[in-house]
Amino acid sequence: AQSVTQLGSHVSVSEGALVLLRCNYSSSVPPYLFWYVQYPNQGLQLLLKYTTGATLVKGINGFEAEFKKSETSFHLTKPSAHMSDAAEYFCAVSVATDSWGKLQFGAGTQVVVTP
Amino acid sequence: NAGVMQNPRHLVRRRGQEARLRCSPMKGHSHVYWYRQLPEEGLKFMVYLQKENIIDESGMPKERFSAEFPKEGPSILRIQQVVRGDSAAYFCASSPMAGAYGNTIYFGEGSWLTVV
Repeated sequence: AQSVTQLGSHVSVSEGALVLLRCNYSSSVPPYLFWYVQYPNQGLQLLLKYTTGATLVKGINGFEAEFKKSETSFHLTKPSAHMSDAAEYFCAVSVATDSWGKLQFGAGTQVVVTP
Repeated sequence: NAGVMQNPRHLVRRRGQEARLRCSPMKGHSHVYWYRQLPEEGLKFMVYLQKENIIDESGMPKERFSAEFPKEGPSILRIQQVVRGDSAAYFCASSPMAGAYGNTIYFGEGSWLTVV
């Protein structure tokens, strides 16, 4: 079975500073990895995903993530935080042996951006 | 192009009543997924349906919960005899008929159920 661990349930960053959200996964088969963002009382929006190929994945809103198999990690970064980045972020994993569209989510990281 | 539509967005039910949550997938999508988000937790997979078929219900509670996706109309998640612990946000997602593993699924904006 696969699982996802997000380190830090709350992260506070200053506007303009680096955003780093940590995600580690556990999977016995090659994983597909996703980062989603959720704004208050809204659904999830896909930021980026890794399936195969290039391990550095660029997403929307200036976010990117790097798949590191040796570290079983898929950390999300953004060089310069903006106030609009305040939201909750979820890392998720799926595997081909599971039903397509069946994702395992981490518990989420709430990001607060301070002026 | 309308996204995944869920209704109602907010629903209040008394303990013991029934809750029905509806989900209309994106146009052209025939796969539907339901997820539940309990307070302070991430989303948990509940069930995966195609038209008239339940493909994977491994995340559904054994009692009181059921889901359907009829040939015509929206997918329905039904919770009978609700209890306070059912209070959560329920998200529906959809994807196209054909695709490879890792393809994006699209989430609706959720239905927030409060049991009083």
